[in-house]
Amino acid sequence: GAGVSQSPSNKVTEKGKDVELRCDPISGHTALYWYRQRLGQGLEFLIYFQGNSAPDKSGLPSDRFSAERTGESVSTLTIQRTQQEDSAVYLCASSPGNIGGETQYFGPGTRLLVL
Amino acid sequence: AQSVTQPDIHITVSEGASLELRCNYSYGATPYLFWYVQSPGQGLQLLLKYFSGDTLVQGIKGFEAEFKRSQSSFNLRKPSVHWSDAAEYFCAVGDDFGNEKLTFGTGTRLTIIP
Repeated sequence: GAGVSQSPSNKVTEKGKDVELRCDPISGHTALYWYRQRLGQGLEFLIYFQGNSAPDKSGLPSDRFSAERTGESVSTLTIQRTQQEDSAVYLCASSPGNIGGETQYFGPGTRLLVL
Repeated sequence: AQSVTQPDIHITVSEGASLELRCNYSYGATPYLFWYVQSPGQGLQLLLKYFSGDTLVQGIKGFEAEFKRSQSSFNLRKPSVHWSDAAEYFCAVGDDFGNEKLTFGTGTRLTIIP
């Protein structure tokens, strides 16, 4: 079946502009995660959605970052007033969300470059 | 809070040689541990995971990893590497509920020489 998809695959923007990144999880997966991967670094957790529960936003680096998810489907990550340090690959993952220790399935990522 | 250390930033091995990638974690309870591989231009793919039972875990592509509680380690091994194994490898630990908020190491880049 289809995996996790993300769009756009690449985004170049100017400092100060807002950007929206989209994630389509695997159908039926109730858990959805956003991570950020800066050049040469590991992945940093940003936010986690599980079903209709309140999202865990503990990883969002500033109030310029926000994310939404409609039900158990698409999620958008919005970065307002982008800064050069926001340049990174933004990865989305989903999992069935039923039990602990589940595999997270990752999308290909959106590479964001802020000029 | 949990943390993961991958002490080797870059490793080069010859094709056919054995491989061991190191991973050390810091976590208060029994951890959920994962190894992911990221090939150029591709997303992360799970190689294997541990969360209970046998401490030697078998994964895809001939990889295995051993959980050693006494050493807080979860090293990845392969007896004979192939050129296609060249990639970035990430170790990760899951939190109290086993799945949310994976904490990743900084990765080890593996280069294979003929």
